Amino acid sequence: GENVEQHPSTLSVQEGDSAVIKCTYSDSASNYFPWYKQELGKGPQLIIDIRSNVGEKKDQRIAVTLNKTAKHFSLHITETQPEDSAVYFCAASQGGSSASKIIFGSGTRLSIRP
Amino acid sequence: SQTIHQWPATLVQPVGSPLSLECTVEGTSNPNLYWYRQAAGRGLQLLFYSVGIGQISSEVPQNLSASRPQDRQFILSSKKLLLSDSGFYLCAWSAGPWNGYNEQFFGPGTRLTVL
Repeated sequence: GENVEQHPSTLSVQEGDSAVIKCTYSDSASNYFPWYKQELGKGPQLIIDIRSNVGEKKDQRIAVTLNKTAKHFSLHITETQPEDSAVYFCAASQGGSSASKIIFGSGTRLSIRP
Repeated sequence: SQTIHQWPATLVQPVGSPLSLECTVEGTSNPNLYWYRQAAGRGLQLLFYSVGIGQISSEVPQNLSASRPQDRQFILSSKKLLLSDSGFYLCAWSAGPWNGYNEQFFGPGTRLTVL
């Protein structure tokens, strides 16, 4: 089955700097990669996703990149702000398939230093 | 609009006691439903998922069980809790049928402490 590994487990950056979180996946059939943000005491919420037919997607200060050959994808947050502090999860699934589920990484706790 | 509810929000239970956590979804029909567990500082572990009434798939063997008695109701149960059952339990839903691209919407979670 699919296995998603996520690094680092914790990340601290200065406000205004960029943050990068990296994930690798094992199943080459995976073709959909969502990213979720979890604030303290709340459930995760989708912030951005990417499908395997594109290599990069941007939404304001957030961008995701995907390298299908290497089977890894990354989340980039630029100009970080205090409200970016949260736990971020990457995930992978087989879009278009009725037999799969979303497999989540272990999470990255991002802290923004003022 | 769709909303997802979980209760209770927090629960403290002794080892060996039973458990019942409830999740309901409003504003949608035939959702896919999921139960996840999140241990302290850890990732999301999928426990059960359901694509319809009475249809439950188990991902991890444990002393927990799930049931879906109604289309938008998902229940997580245990007959005897273990210390290792402590954690943050999250219910989620996605629009059916499952096609791999379905965004999952998470509930507020239940924090369970087993003493």
